[in-house]
Amino acid sequence: DIQMTQSPSSLSASVGDRVIITCRASQSISSYLNWYQQKPGKAPKLLIYTASSLQSGVPSRFSGSGSGTDFTLTISSLQPEDFATYYCQQSYSIPPTFGGGTKVEIK
Amino acid sequence: EVQLVESGGDLVQPGGSLRLSCAASGFTFSSYWMHWVRQAPGKGLVWVSRINTEGSTTGYADSVKGRFTISRDNAKNTLYLQMNSLRAEDTAVYYCARGGEFAVTRFYYWGQGTLATVSS
Repeated sequence: DIQMTQSPSSLSASVGDRVIITCRASQSISSYLNWYQQKPGKAPKLLIYTASSLQSGVPSRFSGSGSGTDFTLTISSLQPEDFATYYCQQSYSIPPTFGGGTKVEIK
Repeated sequence: EVQLVESGGDLVQPGGSLRLSCAASGFTFSSYWMHWVRQAPGKGLVWVSRINTEGSTTGYADSVKGRFTISRDNAKNTLYLQMNSLRAEDTAVYYCARGGEFAVTRFYYWGQGTLATVSS
């Protein structure tokens, strides 16, 4: 199975900050990398697919980049509604696997 | 609007069984692959199973293979997960998720989840 490692596991940030979350795959996954946002008690929501494509309806302050084994999710200007946990997920091979999550908290 | 509504979660003893359901609406159910993903309390997301549009191709995580069975009824727009020989480590919120029209394992929409608790 492909292992997905996210860093950091948590971070504290203020409204308006630029936030960068990284995800590393244990082997090359080309651009088959997706990002999800999960708020407490809610279902995950797809934000970014194939590393850099913005899902319909997702604000443009979210962006993704990377290929191969190293990927990043960037929130250009953190908003109050962005405080949540973010997960990366590889869709390169079965089983699909998720990173351990990055919890974004209010500073 | 795409809606996925899970049901069937409950408290069950180790070794017991549960059948989860996921009622779909707002899209052509028979055109999409469907998945189950679970999340243990306070933990991350783990993919469980998938099924193709016709129900003829299925896949499972190693941790549930031989114990869980995924199925679908396209006439009823409903996805199922039959869970047998349940273990404490199966305790989790189970989400159904809509995939794509092809086999790519990307989860476009999620239900609200149903909690299965395995405990004596």
